[in-house]
Amino acid sequence: NAGVTQTPKFRVLKTGQSMTLLCAQDMNHEYMYWYRQDPGMGLRLIHYSVGEGTTAKGEVPDGYNVSRLKKQNFLLGLESAAPSQTSVYFCASSYLWSGEAFFGQGTRLTVV
Amino acid sequence: TQLLEQSPQFLSIQEGENLTVYCNSSSVFSSLQWYRQEPGEGPVLLVTVVTGGEVKKLKRLTFQFGDARKDSSLHITAAQPGDTGLYLCAGAQTGANNLFFGTGTRLTVIP
Repeated sequence: NAGVTQTPKFRVLKTGQSMTLLCAQDMNHEYMYWYRQDPGMGLRLIHYSVGEGTTAKGEVPDGYNVSRLKKQNFLLGLESAAPSQTSVYFCASSYLWSGEAFFGQGTRLTVV
Repeated sequence: TQLLEQSPQFLSIQEGENLTVYCNSSSVFSSLQWYRQEPGEGPVLLVTVVTGGEVKKLKRLTFQFGDARKDSSLHITAAQPGDTGLYLCAGAQTGANNLFFGTGTRLTVIP
């Protein structure tokens, strides 16, 4: 009963490098989300998906891209990392768009 | 602009004390959720309140949704060290595409 699994858990990038964060859920949820969490800012939505093959921008989408090729997977990409993208990233999924959100354990990303 | 403001931002209390955390907004929400997040983990849902004035109890935790559905409070009775964590409120709005999370209250209960 894994729920939502994120990989990797930690990563250090140099400015300008690229990477992909992976999120997998085994609950057959339609809705998936990527948030970033910064001190004093709460959780801010980066991108979300309402189903396989669909993606949409959230509150802070600049510098990120996403893909949902399979229902159970939601990928977050950083094409050219910047220090401002240093944060903890959380993936979440839900059965309904405003229903209970199930979160992964987070990815702590540092861009130097 | 932060839709949901939580207060206090930090709270440190002794075991056995009572406390209240507030979640306030000028916007109306169709429902409001409370999550608790422990270090190194993602947030976990505690409760969802839907009706204005609604009160829900979860053991020593009491959640209330404001009559106008713009605010909520979380009251903990006889706090225990296991209550330590970051408490987040999150609001859903009709027609919006995501939950709006509050700024969080970091609670520390000292044994």
